[in-house]
Amino acid sequence: DTAVSQTPKYLVTQMGNDKSIKCEQNLGHDTMYWYKQDSKKFLKIMFSYNNKELIINETVPNRFSPKSPDKAHLNLHINSLELGDSAVYFCASSQSLTGNTIYFGEGSWLTVV
Amino acid sequence: AQSVTQLGSHVSVSEGALVLLRCNYSSSVPPYLFWYVQYPNQGLQLLLKYTSAATLVKGINGFEAEFKKSETSFHLTKPSAHMSDAAEYFCAVSEGQGAQKLVFGQGTRLTINP
Repeated sequence: DTAVSQTPKYLVTQMGNDKSIKCEQNLGHDTMYWYKQDSKKFLKIMFSYNNKELIINETVPNRFSPKSPDKAHLNLHINSLELGDSAVYFCASSQSLTGNTIYFGEGSWLTVV
Repeated sequence: AQSVTQLGSHVSVSEGALVLLRCNYSSSVPPYLFWYVQYPNQGLQLLLKYTSAATLVKGINGFEAEFKKSETSFHLTKPSAHMSDAAEYFCAVSEGQGAQKLVFGQGTRLTINP
């Protein structure tokens, strides 16, 4: 069983569309994250949630809206996609806010054309 | 704020040679430090972590790293490189208690020559 799973793995879409990436963890963790890896492979945190509550929002455009229906799920919805949104989006989880290991999913490769 | 610098965006070694990937950090608090590996078109896999216990940390696949506070370094080493080690390696420091927010270095691509 995959610990942190995200779908879809690959997504190609046109500018202006709205798309979602889903993430689920079966580790029983309280804290979940979204990280973005750009074309230069630079990784940066976007959001973190703890028990469905938003903890970190790293000045991400409000076209990006995370939603956590329960602590095992953290979905990322992106409105009005732009070319610059093309990236790899990684979901991750940790046992708690003070947990010392973050487990990453396999990534979702988003290409906006 | 915490930051990480990885010296060398690309390191190339021969199979069987020593692997040394350099990482220096900046942190205003005792840091938690991590090394992750990313194989082509795959996710991030934790290699090892330092969480204020032993300064020499052993990880998976024969890798280890030593935390040196005086040098603010956390270099990753492996005595003998294998072809399967070819990947992108990321050093990261946590911002805050635990690993709640990781700040990553820019990555080092490791190439293994036969």
